[in-house]
Amino acid sequence: DADVTQTPRNRITKTGKRIMLECSQTKGHDRMYWYRQDPGLGLRLIYYSFDVKDINKGEISDGYSVSRQAQAKFSLSLESAIPNQTALYFCATSDPGTGWAGYTFGSGTRLTVV
Amino acid sequence: LAKTTQPISMDSYEGQEVNITCSHNNIATNDYITWYQQFPSQGPRFIIQGYKTKVTNEVASLFIPADRKSSTLSLPRVSLSDTAVYYCLVGGAGRRALTFGSGTRLQVQP
Repeated sequence: DADVTQTPRNRITKTGKRIMLECSQTKGHDRMYWYRQDPGLGLRLIYYSFDVKDINKGEISDGYSVSRQAQAKFSLSLESAIPNQTALYFCATSDPGTGWAGYTFGSGTRLTVV
Repeated sequence: LAKTTQPISMDSYEGQEVNITCSHNNIATNDYITWYQQFPSQGPRFIIQGYKTKVTNEVASLFIPADRKSSTLSLPRVSLSDTAVYYCLVGGAGRRALTFGSGTRLQVQP
């Protein structure tokens, strides 16, 4: 099983619908992140969480919300989806302890808003 | 946030060594330098990380000068499967999330 699992892998939704993307991890990391990637561009940070009670906005949080249900679960919601939120979404985890070992990414969720 | 600058794209041929340099002039004392590889429609994958001097693993080397304001990822004898986007990130275990730049798109030709 993957260390970081994202569901669904692909989703098509209509404008105005609420949609939730889910992320779960088995690495035991406290820190979790949501990034968005548009075609040909780098990843942009949406939200991040350093523990269950710590949620922080990233550079492009407008139109999104998150929920950290447990150490292992971090969900991203689009309250009212719009077409320019069509993108590839990645969840990542990290562990700040014992040195810095970088991020572990999930396989991504491809979201299309029509 | 530490900003990074990398070439947008590079071309190479199979068997050649590829060096990708990243500038990070405002790197902080406790920041690490980490490189990721990303294939289309996949999540970025950790390649190598360093703090200073030189680090080598089974896939790459990372050269960091004494002032740490730049770093160079070296891929020995690239193959077609090394065609990907490579990202340089600066940061660490502090209370900042990493910010990705646009990366370097490496195209390896036969």
